[in-house]
Amino acid sequence: IAGITQAPTSQILAAGRRMTLRCTQDMRHNAMYWYRQDLGLGLRLIHYSNTAGTTGKGEVPDGYSVSRANTDDFPLTLASAVPSQTSVYFCASSEAGTSNTGELFFGEGSRLTVL
Amino acid sequence: GQNIDQPTEMTATEGAIVQINCTYQTSGFNGLFWYQQHAGEAPTFLSYNVLDGLEEKGRFSSFLSRSKGYSYLLLKELQMKDSASYLCAVMDSNYQLIWGAGTKLIIKP
Repeated sequence: IAGITQAPTSQILAAGRRMTLRCTQDMRHNAMYWYRQDLGLGLRLIHYSNTAGTTGKGEVPDGYSVSRANTDDFPLTLASAVPSQTSVYFCASSEAGTSNTGELFFGEGSRLTVL
Repeated sequence: GQNIDQPTEMTATEGAIVQINCTYQTSGFNGLFWYQQHAGEAPTFLSYNVLDGLEEKGRFSSFLSRSKGYSYLLLKELQMKDSASYLCAVMDSNYQLIWGAGTKLIIKP
């Protein structure tokens, strides 16, 4: 089934550790995004990529980095995790870039707890 | 600043109609989206409005008034499976999506 796959689905992590959340899509979408979702807040954009080889910062990029070596993969790395990064992380994709007014397709989410 | 407001929670009865409102204040406007998110799951696309008026799609309809900075999602013939959070999002002049915190809809038998 075509779509977006995220891994891991859930992780408990000690503060200060490095963590990479993986995201792979098989829809050949150009644009990919990482969001975090916290209770009582709307989805907040961390980083995005309009096409392979390019990335950009979203609303809350500090403490996170991304890479886009190819069309399908868009990993999110926390270099040194802190408790405030406890959240549910969603990867998403869309056919075009950030000027796209079409729908976003979301992965199932990665629940990260930093202790 | 940019702001999307929607009620935190609503309750409705199976078979009834419910209207979920969304008001927004953004830097420019390039469309408004509604997404559905079941607990513990990913958001899924419901509708997109860029022009004023009503867009109907089965049991769901979405309305937009750009002059009032207002939209609503109308759900008819409510079913238990419609229990979910409904997210309103506006695309601003920079094509950045601004998300509301979501409205949790509880359907009672």
